[in-house]
Amino acid sequence: NAGVTQTPKFRVLKTGQSMTLLCAQDMNHEYMYWYRQDPGMGLRLIHYSVGEGTTAKGEVPDGYNVSRLKKQNFLLGLESAAPSQTSVYFCASSYGLYTHYEQYFGPGTRLTVT
Amino acid sequence: GENVEQHPSTLSVQEGDSAVIKCTYSDSASNYFPWYKQELGKGPQLIIDIRSNVGEKKDQRIAVTLNKTAKHFSLHITETQPEDSAVYFCAATPNQAGTALIFGKGTTLSVSS
Repeated sequence: NAGVTQTPKFRVLKTGQSMTLLCAQDMNHEYMYWYRQDPGMGLRLIHYSVGEGTTAKGEVPDGYNVSRLKKQNFLLGLESAAPSQTSVYFCASSYGLYTHYEQYFGPGTRLTVT
Repeated sequence: GENVEQHPSTLSVQEGDSAVIKCTYSDSASNYFPWYKQELGKGPQLIIDIRSNVGEKKDQRIAVTLNKTAKHFSLHITETQPEDSAVYFCAATPNQAGTALIFGKGTTLSVSS
């Protein structure tokens, strides 16, 4: 039981390049989330999904897109990376809404955009 | 929308001492208040949470208190140990689908032996 895994762990992009971050969970959770964490800041929700085939915007969705084609996977895409997207990205999942069920976080992906 | 302020940003204590971290929130509709611990290089992990119908909750050396009137809640760690050293985040949210969990900026706790 690996829990929540994220790929890759580190990535450096040039401005304007695109990439996809992959999150996978093996706990059969319905809810999945993408957060970003910046120095001296708490986590901020980018997008989330309440089930396979559904996605919704969080606090800071601009510049990102997501897809949930399979229940166990949640992908975060950056179409045209900007230096402001330099951050550590965390994926999380929960059995139900986080107000009633614990969120389990992945180890994070450190992204640098130059 | 909700805004969460967390203090202090850093806290250093001696092993065995108590540590207290305080958070205030702005949205009176918020009714769920979790605390997360983040160790270096890892994702956050839920350590305790409290709902608005409860004033205090304990789990071994960790306790959380909530004052809804003043809109603040606190994390108390007693008998601190070096392994308690980490970044702690508070968060708040109304219990409504589609509303985000709003995090504080974090407190770096250092426990020296």
